Amino acid sequence: SQQGEEDPQALSIQEGENATMNCSYKTSINNLQWYRQNSGRGLVHLILIRSNEREKHSGRLRVTLDTSKKSSSLLITASRAADTASYFCATVLLSGANNLFFGTGTRLTVIP
Amino acid sequence: EAQVTQNPRYLITVTGKKLTVTCSQNMNHEYMSWYRQDPGLGLRQIYYSMNVEVTDKGDVPEGYKVSRKEKRNFPLILESPSPNQTSLYFCASSLGAGLHTGELFFGEGSRLTVL
Repeated sequence: SQQGEEDPQALSIQEGENATMNCSYKTSINNLQWYRQNSGRGLVHLILIRSNEREKHSGRLRVTLDTSKKSSSLLITASRAADTASYFCATVLLSGANNLFFGTGTRLTVIP
Repeated sequence: EAQVTQNPRYLITVTGKKLTVTCSQNMNHEYMSWYRQDPGLGLRQIYYSMNVEVTDKGDVPEGYKVSRKEKRNFPLILESPSPNQTSLYFCASSLGAGLHTGELFFGEGSRLTVL
């Protein structure tokens, strides 16, 4: 399966700390995307990084991509209680653009 | 407001009773897709559509049907629901015909329980 694997499965930090989540995948990709999901709600797109990019920023989010290791990381700086959610990486394969393959997610809890 | 709307949001039904979960988007998106989310399994694609009258199977299509008669609507049909279809379902759409250029916009989800 192409499904990504996030690490760790769960993460608990204090407000103000940085949170880092990792994602690994198996097959060559066109792009990798990160999504956020509040409990039981729809997923919200955070950032897309293409296979020829190494790093991307959006506000307090920093995403890196290492295609040689087939891995990506999401860093949330200066976390807030409102960042509490599940975070998923998802990949679009180089061979096809019909599906986003999602990982099983990292559950982030930010303690006020 | 740009959005993907699913109905119903919650449904409890019994085995074998046909049901339809509707999905509508108001963003003129080409691509639409259905996912199911189960604990420990992440999101898995059921069906997708790259344009009107063009649909194809995803990873877990068994027991489901879809149609795309209009660009904005992409209903998910369970002809004879079974308990293993108890899940949280998401409809999603994207601007282009594929996902190489854009992200998915998700609905709020439909929680289905089949007794």
